[in-house]
Formats: sequence, C-alpha cells, structure tokens
Amino acid sequence: QKEVEQNSGPLSVPEGAIASLNCTYSDRVSQSFFWYRQYSGKSPELIMSIYSNGDKEDGRFTAQLNKASQYVSLLIRDSQPSDSATYLCAVNRYTGGFKTIFGAGTRLFVKA
Amino acid sequence: DTGVSQDPRHKITKRGQNVTFRCDPISEHNRLYWYRQTLGQGPEFLTYFQNEAQLEKSRLLSDRFSAERPKGSFSTLEIQRTEQGDSAMYLCASSGRTNEQYFGPGTRLTVT
Repeated sequence: QKEVEQNSGPLSVPEGAIASLNCTYSDRVSQSFFWYRQYSGKSPELIMSIYSNGDKEDGRFTAQLNKASQYVSLLIRDSQPSDSATYLCAVNRYTGGFKTIFGAGTRLFVKA
Repeated sequence: DTGVSQDPRHKITKRGQNVTFRCDPISEHNRLYWYRQTLGQGPEFLTYFQNEAQLEKSRLLSDRFSAERPKGSFSTLEIQRTEQGDSAMYLCASSGRTNEQYFGPGTRLTVT
C-alpha cells in the first residue's frame, strides 16, 4: 500500500464546474496536509494547507480533512482552463525531523 | 525576496561522474527539503534540514547521495558515481514553522 494514494486521472470537467480531487494516506501519525499544483515542466506550487478536521476555504478552493478516515480532498469551484494541471497531495509527519510524502498526483483537465 | 533558487538548472553528466547541486532557500526559512521527481510521479522525499542539522533522510541518502547545509543557509546535494537511473528532476523546497513548502525551479539531471 502506498503511503499517499491519489487517483491518477485524468479527471476531465467542463469549465465552470466543480472539480473534486481525493487523497488517502496510511500513516495515522500524519499531522499536516497540503495540496500543490504542478504545471507540466514546472515545480510544484502550494495551493492550500490544512491541519485539523473539517473544511478550509480559500477563494475557489476548499480543502477537507477527515483524520478518522485518513482522507483529504480538494474542491475547485468554477473550474477554469488555467486550472488544468496535476494536483499533488502531500502529507507531513514528525519523527524527530519532518518528512513529507507526496502522492503521484491527479491530472485535471478543464474543458473550455 | 526572490524565492527558492537552484543551480544549475540543467546538468548532463556521464555515468560514473560525481555531481553537486546547490539550493538557496527563502532567507527567513530555517527548514529545507530535497526531493527527486521522475515523470508521472510525485516528488520523492530525500532529506530534511532544520537550520544546519540534517534531521530526517530517506534510505536513499545512505548510499551514493549526500546532502549538507553547513551554515544553515544554502544546501548542497551530491550524487557520487552517477547511474542512468539517477536521471530525474531534483527539487529543493524551504519552509518556516508552518511546513508550507515553497519549491525552487529544480535541477534536471541527465546521466548518459
């Protein structure tokens, strides 16, 4: 079992729709959770962080965390073609030093 | 502040040669991470520094890979006796106490 699992996609949504991206993780001691966006040929850029159960909203993005189910999700409202990218889920845990594990990413394609 | 910088951006080397990459983090960040990323995969954790102390590292770093951060500012990653399987993008990221990581542009290594 991978430590952080994401559906590789591609996930295709029409412009203006809600895109829903999911991530599960295996280590219960994981403490903080992040979503990154990565365009082809570029490095990852941080979208959102979430540390406690529930929802966190930032503009068109909402991150959701459920530690009991070991599940993190990202909703993108009013999806735009410029949102087409790979979305990476990352899980951070402390074991004397911080270690961050990334999922393989979900490719999102927003159709104009 | 100009963000995380990495040097060189591209490196082509012959199998068996040693290579060294440099990362300059965001100036106020005391945490620094190195990752390796191959096509279609998420970044793979290599090591973590807090100031000058290397507090976490993957098993990969016990062999031909080594990293330093001698003064708690810039960091170097060295690969000895490179192999074709080392061809990848090497990413550096830095963070403050929130662990929200900001990535540099990466160094693309090609081993021929």
